[in-house]
Amino acid sequence: EVQLVESGGGLVKPGGSLRLSCAASGFIFSSYSMNWVRQAPGKGLEWVSSISTTSDYIYYADSVKGRFAISRDNAKNSLYLQMNSLRDDDTAVYYCARIRSYYDSSGSDYWGQGTLVTVSS
Amino acid sequence: QSVLTQPPSVSAAPGQKVTISCSGSSSNIGNNYVSWYQQLPGTAPKLLIYDNNKRPSGIPDRFSGSKSGTSATLGIAGLQTGDEADYYCGTWDSSLSGWVFGGGTKLTVL
Repeated sequence: EVQLVESGGGLVKPGGSLRLSCAASGFIFSSYSMNWVRQAPGKGLEWVSSISTTSDYIYYADSVKGRFAISRDNAKNSLYLQMNSLRDDDTAVYYCARIRSYYDSSGSDYWGQGTLVTVSS
Repeated sequence: QSVLTQPPSVSAAPGQKVTISCSGSSSNIGNNYVSWYQQLPGTAPKLLIYDNNKRPSGIPDRFSGSKSGTSATLGIAGLQTGDEADYYCGTWDSSLSGWVFGGGTKLTVL
């Protein structure tokens, strides 16, 4: 069974940092590109970042470029999101999601349960 | 506002059919596959449709997808109260080099 479990969320002050993790199991993690997607309270889905299988291709939304860094450790079946210079509008539930196939628009077929990040003084 | 445009809400009676539209441009829907997601209250999104019109295993054929030009449509037939959820379209945007989602559509089954 495919499972994605996020962790690392919590309360952080504006300007602070947080590192999210996503533990993957039930599939060959190294064979799939991965996404981070977030959802602010009461709002819609917002794509944050994507990483290819070998980390050769990395993409960021303009809203997080220069502040967030996505990475992965295929030996540990884990995906990460390092978030720096956090702002109030980064407050959201952060989901990791598996990209179902090799092409960019193939969609995300499995999602974690999400981890809540709250940025507030 | 979102790159992809969806109606904020739709409603229909149990047993009826509803469609949800998703409008974009040539840099996203026009030249890439569209996927659709269902988000039940308090849960993570779930893939309903991928590659414009394909259903993952376990998704009933009451759910259908189509695409024409720079617009896509999700259809839900035989509505059930359990279908009440938020629905999102999404695709890759080649100009932005990133994923884009619609703003979401809240389905109410009256």
